[in-house]
Amino acid sequence: EPEVTQTPSHQVTQMGQEVILRCVPISNHLYFYWYRQILGQKVEFLVSFYNNEISEKSEIFDDQFSVERPDGSNFTLKIRSTKLEDSAMYFCASSEDLNQPQHFGDGTRLSIL
Amino acid sequence: GDSVTQMEGPVTLSEEAFLTINCTYTATGYPSLFWYVQYPGEGLQLLLKATKADDKGSNKGFEATYRKETTSFHLEKGSVQVSDSAVYFCALSEKNTGFQKLVFGTGTRLLVSP
Repeated sequence: EPEVTQTPSHQVTQMGQEVILRCVPISNHLYFYWYRQILGQKVEFLVSFYNNEISEKSEIFDDQFSVERPDGSNFTLKIRSTKLEDSAMYFCASSEDLNQPQHFGDGTRLSIL
Repeated sequence: GDSVTQMEGPVTLSEEAFLTINCTYTATGYPSLFWYVQYPGEGLQLLLKATKADDKGSNKGFEATYRKETTSFHLEKGSVQVSDSAVYFCALSEKNTGFQKLVFGTGTRLLVSP
């Protein structure tokens, strides 16, 4: 069964550094999403992406965050200047269309020191 | 805004016991409802879904019925196994301006002992 794959599985970064989290959505999917889960808290929506542009973003997704689909397969989340509170598990998801469920990757655990 | 409330865990059961994990929601429209499961060290996997009132989603022995009158989507399984130990997330999808954003509950950890 096709899967959403995320790399790396664990990223450790110094505060203030830039980090890029990578995702390969399922190949025929058109809608892409990022969520995050701070330890012990809810899974929170960050951003959705369709047709090469952001379709919706949450309050969390401020100017420090950006997303990109640099080629036909990858979907990336960039955090420009990381803060301690960015430490979380980041999940990428994709869906074929709006009426189909989202499929999630295994997540990238981001640890900011 | 829309929200999902789940019962707090952990839920600790013996193998073959009956499972119920409660989930209620608040939504302005008519969302789709989902249960996702997260096994240790893994990502979120869709367990089942229901898209309209009175729909029953089912998979791997788990069931949940979309109850509009009680705004609930409780997860049930008649006989749990040790391998069902995981964190279960109830979620709804907001279809606002055509985009499907998921709103999750806090998750309920299930521990099944032999």
